[in-house]
Amino acid sequence: NAGVTQTPKFQVLKTGQSMTLQCAQDMNHEYMSWYRQDPGMGLRLIHYSVGAGITDQGEVPNGYNVSRSTTEDFPLRLLSAAPSQTSVYFCASSYAPGTSGGRWGYNEQFFGPGTRLTVL
Amino acid sequence: AQTVTQSQPEMSVQEAETVTLSCTYDTSENNYYLFWYKQPPSRQMILVIRQEAYKQQNATENRFSVNFQKAAKSFSLKISDSQLGDTAMYFCAFMKGSNFGNEKLTFGTGTRLTIIP
Repeated sequence: NAGVTQTPKFQVLKTGQSMTLQCAQDMNHEYMSWYRQDPGMGLRLIHYSVGAGITDQGEVPNGYNVSRSTTEDFPLRLLSAAPSQTSVYFCASSYAPGTSGGRWGYNEQFFGPGTRLTVL
Repeated sequence: AQTVTQSQPEMSVQEAETVTLSCTYDTSENNYYLFWYKQPPSRQMILVIRQEAYKQQNATENRFSVNFQKAAKSFSLKISDSQLGDTAMYFCAFMKGSNFGNEKLTFGTGTRLTIIP
């Protein structure tokens, strides 16, 4: 298994440009989520999904769009990049409770390697 | 809403010594999980240890152990016999427990730990 993969690893954008950060997992996890990591702020949840076709907002959703058309993929879209979106972005996935792979209660989240995004 | 506070931005310790990283949290939930994650320079997030709130016994994983004080809402990480490979950023994190699944993590701001040779 490749686990959770993210592309690209690094990206530089100009203000106003759009782009999509890709996230894929091959573990058949129902849950997927996006976090951003800023200095002195820890990781903050942007959007999450509990299954294909279902998404919801996290703590800092403004400026980002997501969709979940398949179990495997959960792309994060920046429609008009701003310098405030300069950050490291992490994708994570896990089983849902009570499913064929998931236990009731806690299921470990697996993180991707991150994408470092700079917006000039 | 939950909050997680790590009051030590940076710490350093000599190799082979013991170090304790502090974490406090605030929640009105009774069912939850607490975690310590390690982030080395590679940026990869690595789960170090987990504690279920309903368990009174403190979790241990080899050289890593926690001191979980539920009433005080405190969750510290002790690293024994510290090694150079322990140099990393350490994050304390909280997850509300639910049978329906609420796998959202709330993170603290992190403690940068340096192990000195």
